[in-house]
Formats: sequence, C-alpha cells, structure tokens
Amino acid sequence: KAGVTQTPRYLIKTRGQQVTLSCSPISGHRSVSWYQQTPGQGLQFLFEYFSETQRNKGNFPGRFSGRQFSNSRSEMNVSTLELGDSALYLCASSLGSPGQPNTGELFFGEGSRLTVL
Amino acid sequence: DQQVKQNSPSLSVQEGRISILNCDYTNSMFDYFLWYKKYPAEGPTFLISISSIKDKNEDGRFTVFLNKSAKHLSLHIVPSQPGDSAVYFCAASKWQGGKLIFGQGTELSVKP
Repeated sequence: KAGVTQTPRYLIKTRGQQVTLSCSPISGHRSVSWYQQTPGQGLQFLFEYFSETQRNKGNFPGRFSGRQFSNSRSEMNVSTLELGDSALYLCASSLGSPGQPNTGELFFGEGSRLTVL
Repeated sequence: DQQVKQNSPSLSVQEGRISILNCDYTNSMFDYFLWYKKYPAEGPTFLISISSIKDKNEDGRFTVFLNKSAKHLSLHIVPSQPGDSAVYFCAASKWQGGKLIFGQGTELSVKP
C-alpha cells in the first residue's frame, strides 16, 4: 500500500511569490491534514479536510489556504510569501470518518521543504 | 498558546539505559494522546498512544504513562538503542480521531 506522497519535496521561492504544495493520501483515506514544522515550534496545525470540506483550521493567516479534491488529494497554497514561511510542510492522512472506530493515528508524508529568500 | 509542551529540546542517553521523554498539556478537554517519532528527511511515524481512561500503555520497549491530574504524560524507552535516536513528538486530541495538537519535540540521542 503506497504511503502519503507529497510534491515537490524541495522548493525555493522569493518573498511575495506564491506556492502550491500537493499531497496524495493513502488509498482509502478521506481525511487530509496539513502541518507546518519549524525549529522550536514543533508541528503547527494548519487545516484538515474531509470529503472536500475543511473540517478544522489552525491559527494561520488567510494567506494560507487549502482544498481537497473528490479523489481525496489535497493542495495547500501560500500567497505573498514571507521569510517566516520557510518551513517543512507536512501532509498527513487518516481514515478520519466521524463515528467510525480508528486509532486516531495520522500517516505522514515526507514533507515539502520550502525556503523563502 | 502552546497547549502541548515538551520542555526538553534534547536528551542524551547511554545505550541500554532508560530514556524518559516528558510532555505536559494545558487543555483538560484532551482525551487521547499519541507519541510520534521523526527521523531527519522523513515524516513522523506513529509510535504509541493512550486513552484518558488508562494510565499506562505498553508496546515492547515503549511505555507511555498518563497522569491526568497533573496533565502530564511520559514515554519510557527501555532499553534504549542507537536506532532510537530521533525527534519525539507528543500529541493530544479531544477525541480519538480528532485534530492532533503537537508539542515542540524532543531530540533523543542514544550513544553506543
């Protein structure tokens, strides 16, 4: 069973540009969550999508947005990039169906490392 | 507002000894707790979890302890092995399968 796939793995942008990151969840998983990892801050929750609907949102500015497609694949977008957006962006999938038993475990991809110059 | 805190950024332990990683949380609504391990250039992988109805869960060399009154959990690794060297994140959610809130991570180094 293929794991969570994130593309691109590495990218470099300049301030003011925008970026789109892609995530393909494990087959059969309908929930996709996005996290930002920076040194000292751990994993900060960005948002979660389930069946094409945003189910939860973290405390990030509106420059950060996302969406989920009917095949459960997800994209996140960051507009007007700032130096502080440099981070590892991690996508995670899970079964995520409310009311259905699951371990609560998230399956993470390897991340997309964004550097903003 | 850091609801889940790992106050030790790093920990160094000798091979064969016990590693104890600590985690504190502030939100009493948290009901489910997990530990993840992360190697460089890889995504975090699930290690072990515990529900608030328990105070201990064991899986091989890994044991998680939960003290709800102190809002504290810990991960014990016995015996520690060099391959355990990684960053460990604790996470909490309000229900099993809910949104996970992560701590800042503790980098464990197990020396041969």
